[in-house]
Amino acid sequence: GNSVTQMEGPVTLSEEAFLTINCTYTATGYPSLFWYVQYPGEGLQLLLKATKADDKGSNKGFEATYRKETTSFHLEKGSVQVSDSAVYFCALSGVAGANSKLTFGKGITLSVRP
Amino acid sequence: EPEVTQTPSHQVTQMGQEVILRCVPISNHLYFYWYRQILGQKVEFLVSFYNNEISEKSEIFDDQFSVERPDGSNFTLKIRSTKLEDSAMYFCATSAGAFQETQYFGPGTRLLVL
Repeated sequence: GNSVTQMEGPVTLSEEAFLTINCTYTATGYPSLFWYVQYPGEGLQLLLKATKADDKGSNKGFEATYRKETTSFHLEKGSVQVSDSAVYFCALSGVAGANSKLTFGKGITLSVRP
Repeated sequence: EPEVTQTPSHQVTQMGQEVILRCVPISNHLYFYWYRQILGQKVEFLVSFYNNEISEKSEIFDDQFSVERPDGSNFTLKIRSTKLEDSAMYFCATSAGAFQETQYFGPGTRLLVL
């Protein structure tokens, strides 16, 4: 079945540091890939997505590229801010004609120090 | 911006009691989902719902669980006889379509079974 593996956390960075959060997946076919973010006390919000190989999703300075050859969708940001402190979830959904449920990774907590 | 809302935000119940969790989807969305997150664990898919029918359900979604749209707007998750292990955060999500469509999540209901 489908699965998503995220690097272990938590991650603590200083403001303006470079961020990489690793995500790899196992899936049949060509899933869509997502990063969701959960700010304290809130629900999950879509951060970015990519629907086919080599697509790059981007939003709020975050980027992730769908790499089919390495089955990865790593999240990056060049300069993090304190307001980026949150839990980040990598997820995938099924292929056309199949189920559309999201399969999530464990999530990783990012704390950014001023 | 339209958003998914959930009520209640918190619910404490005794083991064996019935609970109903409510979700108001974004108005033009047709696909509905329930997920749950046990503290410290992954977000897990429970059930998807389209055209007044369950599209898919996970192994977690046993006979104690049911979903419905009682009035064409609310989307509810009922747990007939709660168990201690049902304690979790329950998220409703909705989307306009299935394949490759973004799922929009509500803020969640935190359920505690004593």
